[in-house]
Amino acid sequence: SYVLTQPPSVSVAPGQTARITCGGNKIGSRSVHWYQQKPGQAPVLVVYDDSDRPSGVPERFSGSNSGNTATLTISRVEAGDEADYYCQVWDSGSDHPRVFGGGTKLTVL
Amino acid sequence: QVQLVQSGAEVKKPGASVKVSCKASGYTFTNYGISWVRQAPGQGLEWMGWISAYNGNTKYPQRLQGRVTMTTDTSTSTAYMELRSLRSDDTAVYYCARDLNIVVDHSLGSTAMGSWGQGTLVTVSS
Repeated sequence: SYVLTQPPSVSVAPGQTARITCGGNKIGSRSVHWYQQKPGQAPVLVVYDDSDRPSGVPERFSGSNSGNTATLTISRVEAGDEADYYCQVWDSGSDHPRVFGGGTKLTVL
Repeated sequence: QVQLVQSGAEVKKPGASVKVSCKASGYTFTNYGISWVRQAPGQGLEWMGWISAYNGNTKYPQRLQGRVTMTTDTSTSTAYMELRSLRSDDTAVYYCARDLNIVVDHSLGSTAMGSWGQGTLVTVSS
């Protein structure tokens, strides 16, 4: 089945830009979704279809996808952005069509 | 607004079964599919399967085939996930999640999971 690779952790100072990557074979040809999960809470969708934001998600969250890497970018990082972030794609025809990356812990220094 | 409210925590013995419910409100239940996702302690997210609330069609990954059954009750806008032959490694928080978009043919598609339940902790221990 399709494999998504995320770095285990990313650290950034408040006010800076965080970039969380999600690697996969020709991932640029797939739609990528990103979820934020804070401790003890359910995941929340923050970016879908590579770069769209659900209503209520700040514009500071953006996404891109090309080649073998998708990226979630968080601008002007705030302490409240500290969370685990998961990418997810659709692997049509697969036994396991909804695939998650392993997750990235974003630490705000 | 869309709400998914799940049933409470469960403690089960190995070999037993558990059935978790997910009551939906704030939208037309039969228009959207629902996935179940679980998260073992300290681990990442694992997709467990999907059900169409429109026609009851399901899709399960091979590794859970034969142990998991997903159903819906359209009269109460409730989705259910039953997992049988429980093992200790089934200990996890189980989430239901609604598809973000309506899929034209009500099939499992590439849409994201837009709304999530609060989670149900299932503990399997002797």
